[in-house]
Amino acid sequence: DVKVTQSSRYLVKRTGEKVFLECVQDMDHENMFWYRQDPGLGLRLIYFSYDVKMKEKGDIPEGYSVSREKKERFSLILESASTNQTSMYLCASRELAGGISSYNEQFFGPGTRLTVL
Amino acid sequence: GENVEQHPSTLSVQEGDSAVIKCTYSDSASNYFPWYKQELGKGPQLIIDIRSNVGEKKDQRIAVTLNKTAKHFSLHITETQPEDSAVYFCAASKGDSGYSTLTFGKGTMLLVSP
Repeated sequence: DVKVTQSSRYLVKRTGEKVFLECVQDMDHENMFWYRQDPGLGLRLIYFSYDVKMKEKGDIPEGYSVSREKKERFSLILESASTNQTSMYLCASRELAGGISSYNEQFFGPGTRLTVL
Repeated sequence: GENVEQHPSTLSVQEGDSAVIKCTYSDSASNYFPWYKQELGKGPQLIIDIRSNVGEKKDQRIAVTLNKTAKHFSLHITETQPEDSAVYFCAASKGDSGYSTLTFGKGTMLLVSP
């Protein structure tokens, strides 16, 4: 089974702190994604990476950056955390098969609930 | 870009009843429509998906229908059970490359009462 793990289930940070959220997948998937989930807003894509060192902005990239130095690891970085970044953060991975990954399942981690005070 | 609307936001049914969740999409080029189920404390998990060359797909008690002309698709759960209680998300994408992404609806909280 694919396993996507996230470094923390719960995290509490102060306004202005630099925050790192880590995600690791064990199935050699090429694509990885970061979403945030807020009540009434569903899942919104922050950034995604289709391969090592490659990244693309999603729908709400402002205030975030990402890093993918190794295939299995995708990090989300909040350079200066703000209270409006309090949310549930979900990481996902997807296999690239034959150059077309679009129809493939995204596998999600359990999420990190971040609170910024 | 794509916009996906999902209704209802909450749905309460009695065990054994059927449940229907509806989604509409805006981009006529979208051709892949998955449904994800998120149980409490877990990440979403794919339960069924459909491509635009198919009008209906079934998997045991769940089915998805697609109306390309009207740009809407629906999830049908029959003989609901308490373990079906969860948040369900529909999504849409243009499945034409390795770089496409999913646009999700806002979710439906389904509560199945014994």
